[in-house]
Amino acid sequence: DADVTQTPRNRITKTGKRIMLECSQTKGHDRMYWYRQDPGLGLRLIYYSFDVKDINKGEISDGYSVSRQAQAKFSLSLESAIPNQTALYFCATSDAHGQNTEAFFGQGTRLTVV
Amino acid sequence: QKEVEQDPGPLSVPEGAIVSLNCTYSNSAFQYFMWYRQYSRKGPELLMYTYSSGNKEDGRFTAQVDKSSKYISLFIRDSQPSDSATYLCALSGFQKLVFGTGTRLLVSP
Repeated sequence: DADVTQTPRNRITKTGKRIMLECSQTKGHDRMYWYRQDPGLGLRLIYYSFDVKDINKGEISDGYSVSRQAQAKFSLSLESAIPNQTALYFCATSDAHGQNTEAFFGQGTRLTVV
Repeated sequence: QKEVEQDPGPLSVPEGAIVSLNCTYSNSAFQYFMWYRQYSRKGPELLMYTYSSGNKEDGRFTAQVDKSSKYISLFIRDSQPSDSATYLCALSGFQKLVFGTGTRLLVSP
């Protein structure tokens, strides 16, 4: 089983619909992240959480919300999806301790908003 | 100004070539330097990391950091078609992790 699991892997939704992307991890890491990846723009941070009670906005949080249900679970919601939110979404985790902030990524969710 | 600049490519080379991938950065607070490899339809995976200026080798891969110039490089010797992927530099420091846009590498047989 993958250490970081994202569901669904692919999703097509209509403009205006609410959609939730889910992420779970078995790494035991405190920190979890949501990124979106677009051609030419790379990985951009949407939200991050350093523990269950800590939620922070990233550089492109508008139109998104998150919930950290447990140490192992971090979900991303699009309240009212719009076409320019069509992208590849990645969840990632990292260890809070030491200088090593290596991030472990899920397989990604390809979201298409039509 | 972006904190990390990376040429998106694509970079096309023949099998066996030496590949050089580069990033520049602007914030001297970054202390930890990483290269991730991302195959198509997959998440990025850590390839190499270093936190000092100089070179670090791992098989056919060499990571180089020049903190004075704020310049990091990844060299791939004897490149193989299986090296075809997108390579992202990543920098961390003070609880911040920043990625480059990624360079797409194509190695032809």
